[in-house]
Amino acid sequence: TQLLEQSPQFLSIQEGENLTVYCNSSSVFSSLQWYRQEPGEGPVLLVTVVTGGEVKKLKRLTFQFGDARKDSSLHITAAQPGDTGLYLCAGAGWETSGSRLTFGEGTQLTVNP
Amino acid sequence: NAGVTQTPKFQVLKTGQSMTLQCAQDMNHNSMYWYRQDPGMGLRLIYYSASEGTTDKGEVPNGYNVSRLNKREFSLRLESAAPSQTSVYFCASSRVPVLAGGIYEQYFGPGTRLTVT
Repeated sequence: TQLLEQSPQFLSIQEGENLTVYCNSSSVFSSLQWYRQEPGEGPVLLVTVVTGGEVKKLKRLTFQFGDARKDSSLHITAAQPGDTGLYLCAGAGWETSGSRLTFGEGTQLTVNP
Repeated sequence: NAGVTQTPKFQVLKTGQSMTLQCAQDMNHNSMYWYRQDPGMGLRLIYYSASEGTTDKGEVPNGYNVSRLNKREFSLRLESAAPSQTSVYFCASSRVPVLAGGIYEQYFGPGTRLTVT
């Protein structure tokens, strides 16, 4: 069973601060995705990283896939209240049924005005 | 496009009652999934259907059954509800990647909030 651990589980910061969320595993993943979920809604895909060492930027969000494809991080610069939500990482394995994802427990981010 | 739709949005059941959660997608996706989400436990896969006509167990299948009715619809049935099945249930779908070993990016519905008393 592949497990993904996210840290921290909860994060409360002030508007304008920077933050980093981590997603770690002892397993190797073929790709890793980050989702954001707002209260009362389903998760929405933010980004997919595929290559070890890959860095992707989405406005103020920077996503990195570890060189060994076992970990990933999400960095938010100058956080805004609109960034508030549950951030989930999800890894795809190398199994033949490549449609399955393993989700981390999530990081609940609150950005206070 | 409505994307992924789920019905009902809320449901309260008594222990032992049965019900079916409905899910439909209009994106012509081949794969569909059912997850449950509980506080501090992320999303756990209950069942999935890689393609029309196939279904497979996920991480927590006990107490549930599924039906892939056609390419669009994937239902989840609780035959005899238990309080441990109180949760938020999400349906998701994904297209089959063009290349083998490609990326399955999942699109989620708004969820069904189920309480079993």
